[in-house]
Amino acid sequence: QVQLQESGPGLVKPSETLSLTCTVSGGSITSHYWSWIRQPPTERLEWIGFIYHNGVTDYNPSLKSRVTMSVDTSRNQFSLKLSSVTAADTAVYYCARARSGYIYGAFDFWGQGTLVTVSS
Amino acid sequence: EIVLTQAPGTLSLSPGERATLSCRASQSVTSGHLAWYQHKPGLAPRLLIYGASSRATGLPDRFSGSGSGTDFTLTISRLEPEDFAVYYCQQYVNSLSSFGGGTKVEIK
Repeated sequence: QVQLQESGPGLVKPSETLSLTCTVSGGSITSHYWSWIRQPPTERLEWIGFIYHNGVTDYNPSLKSRVTMSVDTSRNQFSLKLSSVTAADTAVYYCARARSGYIYGAFDFWGQGTLVTVSS
Repeated sequence: EIVLTQAPGTLSLSPGERATLSCRASQSVTSGHLAWYQHKPGLAPRLLIYGASSRATGLPDRFSGSGSGTDFTLTISRLEPEDFAVYYCQQYVNSLSSFGGGTKVEIK
């Protein structure tokens, strides 16, 4: 059974960079497309972007200027960096796997999510 | 950008009843790239339906998805106690992928 686990600081200061890592177990990261998704308090889910094992990425246009994703196949991990954060970036952040044959959705495995709060 | 509107916002039903959840898109969702998820507090969201009507692996057949174009429906034929949760739809045509605002199915 594939499992995903997010890790990273739960508190980030305004204007700094949010950094999260997703560790994949029970399956190889060298298949499927891997995404980050977030949900601010009382708001709807928002897709942030995906990365493939060869480093190909695509990001939500609304966040593209601040997002960088990377992958470490040796550790079966992928990461998210979001720069210049503000309070509006406070959210539960999820990592997820797209079902085989899909890219931007049909996420069949998710992490449990990690709350990141942006505050001084 | 495709905006997804889910209705109703809250559905109050009893176990054994039928639940019908709606997801309406502001533009046509091409190739039926629409999914439904179940979300319970503190847990990871669970994929139920993809491709508008295909069931995820292991999903009980009381769950079904239908629709095309701009109108989609998730039906739970007979609610079980574990089905009370929030349900989201998602369109995933391209990098403008978006989610609906959710429908909460609560116990009446």
